[in-house]
Amino acid sequence: DVLMTQTPVSLPVSLGGQVSISCRSSQSLVHSDGNTYLHWYLQKPGQSPQLLIYRVSNRFSGVPDRFSGSGSGTDFTLKISRVEPEDLGVYYCLQSTHFPWTFGGGTKLELK
Amino acid sequence: EVQLVESGGGLVQPGRSLKLSCLASGFTFSNYGMNWIRQAPGKGLEWVASISSSSSYIYYADTVKGRFTISRDNAKNTLYLQMTSLRSEDTALYYCASLMDWGQGVMVTVSS
Repeated sequence: DVLMTQTPVSLPVSLGGQVSISCRSSQSLVHSDGNTYLHWYLQKPGQSPQLLIYRVSNRFSGVPDRFSGSGSGTDFTLKISRVEPEDLGVYYCLQSTHFPWTFGGGTKLELK
Repeated sequence: EVQLVESGGGLVQPGRSLKLSCLASGFTFSNYGMNWIRQAPGKGLEWVASISSSSSYIYYADTVKGRFTISRDNAKNTLYLQMTSLRSEDTALYYCASLMDWGQGVMVTVSS
């Protein structure tokens, strides 16, 4: 199984600040079709996860451009600039290149 | 508007069975692969099972293989998860998801 190591576990931030979350996989996430199926989700308190970024760097519909994804192979990053109150919650990366699909352990973004 | 509405959860004794349903609307259900993903209380996300749009491909997490069965009825826009031989460690909020969109989840509690 592909192990997804997400860091940090907790990330204190000031409103308006910028943060980065790392997600590293134990093997390459490049699919045989050439795509890399690495996605980012935000789960706000008491809510279902919502898709932010799909296939490494594509913002989902309605996601502000404050969110950006980058990376390749086994090393991926989610950056959030100008953090707003509605950005707080737990962020997860998900790889769907290989079965079984696996999630990172989560990063809790919280106010300093 | 996309809606995924899960039902069928509840309290069940260890070793018993339960069947979850997910009614989809607002998109062409038959065009999309679908998934069940669960979240134990206070824990992260765990992928459970996936089914392709025409049911040709089905995959399970090792933790549920042989006990759970994912299926779908495209005529009824409904996804199912038949769960048998339930264990206490299956206690979780079960989400129906297309990866882009997630339901609100349905709680399954396995306890005597």
